Amino acid sequence: QSVLTQPPSVSGAPGQRVTISCTGSSSNIGIGYDVHWFQQLPGTAPKLLIYGNNNRPSGVPDRFSGSKSGSSASLAITGLQAEDEAYYYCQSYDNNLSGYVFGTGTKVTVL
Amino acid sequence: QITLKESGPTLVKPTQTLTLTCTFSDFSLSTSGVGVGWIRQPPGKALEWLTVIYWDDDKRYTPSLRSRLTITKDTSKNQVVLTMTNMDPVDTATYYCAHVDTTVFQTFDYWGQGTLVTVSS
Repeated sequence: QSVLTQPPSVSGAPGQRVTISCTGSSSNIGIGYDVHWFQQLPGTAPKLLIYGNNNRPSGVPDRFSGSKSGSSASLAITGLQAEDEAYYYCQSYDNNLSGYVFGTGTKVTVL
Repeated sequence: QITLKESGPTLVKPTQTLTLTCTFSDFSLSTSGVGVGWIRQPPGKALEWLTVIYWDDDKRYTPSLRSRLTITKDTSKNQVVLTMTNMDPVDTATYYCAHVDTTVFQTFDYWGQGTLVTVSS
């Protein structure tokens, strides 16, 4: 029962820019908790892609960027590449649940 | 380099209790701010956070499964153990353990490879 809502899928041609939204509420993103993003390639464990709303771990290309506003956040991928085809999940912390919450997940398809 | 690895049965019967062990290296669960969490993912579905244990033995559970979950740590062995009672076929999933450092950000920065647990008679 994910409390963070994402679009099921987004797609774009190579080189294009795509964005993925993550909608939360006043008990998680809206109250000020950071948003983090994970990339999950087929058959592999999730990999931290963006932390603290807009920070990239070492090794993550600067084609990936994050932002947060109000109770929502977004992940943008610019210069889309075939290797970016994967599932993407947002994650935050929820006061009501006193625990971590993940988004519903978005499949990115490179046309 | 922080690493984590899950171990345990790949097949359990309905109503049985599942016990999974997360063995980690290159960090200590006695370090302030550090925790280890469990996240699961049913086949073709989204990630679901289950539980976390912190350096000070504080434990948090997802409310919907609280009555069935127990998390413990053995700092000397660098292990965290998850038990889930009364397993059901809907609990079939890949179970991941992951590292969190709350002094930095409330997120899981290192993950194990995951272990697929199938619940079937």
